[in-house]
Amino acid sequence: KAGVTQTPRYLIKTRGQQVTLSCSPISGHRSVSWYQQTPGQGLQFLFEYFSETQRNKGNFPGRFSGRQFSNSRSEMNVSTLELGDSALYLCASSSNTGGAGNTIYFGEGSWLTVV
Amino acid sequence: QKEVEQNSGPLSVPEGAIASLNCTYSDRGSQSFFWYRQYSGKSPELIMSIYSNGDKEDGRFTAQLNKASQYVSLLIRDSQPSDSATYLCAVNSGGSNYKLTFGKGTLLTVNP
Repeated sequence: KAGVTQTPRYLIKTRGQQVTLSCSPISGHRSVSWYQQTPGQGLQFLFEYFSETQRNKGNFPGRFSGRQFSNSRSEMNVSTLELGDSALYLCASSSNTGGAGNTIYFGEGSWLTVV
Repeated sequence: QKEVEQNSGPLSVPEGAIASLNCTYSDRGSQSFFWYRQYSGKSPELIMSIYSNGDKEDGRFTAQLNKASQYVSLLIRDSQPSDSATYLCAVNSGGSNYKLTFGKGTLLTVNP
């Protein structure tokens, strides 16, 4: 069974540009969430999607957005990039079994460098 | 702001010893608790999950949960050099089982 797949794995962008990251969840998983990891702040929750709807949102500015498609694949977008957006962006998927016992699996991440 | 705190590292243990990693959390409503292992330059890998008070063992790993004390720990027995990594404690938060709050992690080094 394939794991969570993220593309691209590495990218370099210039300040002010925008970037789109893609994620394919584990087959059968309908919940997709995104996290940002930086050395200073650690792993922080961005947002979670289920059935094409944003169900949970973290404390990030509106420059960070996402969406989910009918096949559960998800994309996140960061507009007007800042140097501080340089980070590892992790996508995670879950089977949405409900209640405690739900397990979240991470993809390999997309390394974004903003110069 | 719901928080997850991990014991400050780095933690260094000799090969074959027991490594003890600790974590406290502030959200009393949390129901799901996870330990992830992250090697340098890699993504987090789930190694243990625990949902009810007590101990849960899986091979050399034992997770312990005490909801009254808001405390969760991970014991690694017979530590191996390959266990050297950052260990992240994660707790579900905000009433959602799909939103995790992570601690900053504890760097473990197992010396041969």
